[in-house]
Amino acid sequence: EAGVAQSPRYKIIEKRQSVAFWCNPISGHATLYWYQQILGQGPKLLIQFQNNGVVDDSQLPKDRFSAERLKGVDSTLKIQPAKLEDSAVYLCASSLQQGEVYGYTFGSGTRLTVV
Amino acid sequence: KQEVTQIPAALSVPEGENLVLNCSFTDSAIYNLQWFRQDPGKGLTSLLLIQSSQREQTSGRLNASLDKSSGRSTLYIAASQPGDSATYLCAVRHQAGTALIFGKGTTLSVSS
Repeated sequence: EAGVAQSPRYKIIEKRQSVAFWCNPISGHATLYWYQQILGQGPKLLIQFQNNGVVDDSQLPKDRFSAERLKGVDSTLKIQPAKLEDSAVYLCASSLQQGEVYGYTFGSGTRLTVV
Repeated sequence: KQEVTQIPAALSVPEGENLVLNCSFTDSAIYNLQWFRQDPGKGLTSLLLIQSSQREQTSGRLNASLDKSSGRSTLYIAASQPGDSATYLCAVRHQAGTALIFGKGTTLSVSS
């Protein structure tokens, strides 16, 4: 089966600019996650979707970050305006359902550099 | 608040050596624990998943154990190879459907 697709792979922007990342999960996976991984750290959850509804966005900086999952398939994560501390790898993951036993599948990530 | 700690942060070994990576978590009420591998510039690859009712899981040269009551897990790698060089991440999940909480990882370097 095809994996979790993410684009772009790399992005360099200036602070205060806006940026958007795209994720296409594995077909049939109802649950989708966006994680932020800062260099030298483990991934940290930003937002979790179940189909097109938000399950957990408690760690999403809502003043600058937004995410949507239209039609319960693809998802977009946006940052506006970006800050230097947003430099990180943004990972998308999907799983079959909330009660997933077999774990997640991660995409390759988008590496964001804010200068 | 759950905290996941991985020791050591970095490890260098010669090829062929057996090694153990450690993971500890502060809240033992977990649903499952998962070990991942991350290569530079890449996403995460799932290695082993242990349900809270299980004690260990094995896949090839990898063996992961779980002692939920003491809040510990270990990843044992037998006969290490240069291709095992990567960062290994441990993550726990509190309930079905909740997100994974990750440690910072152990960066392994295996020299030939």
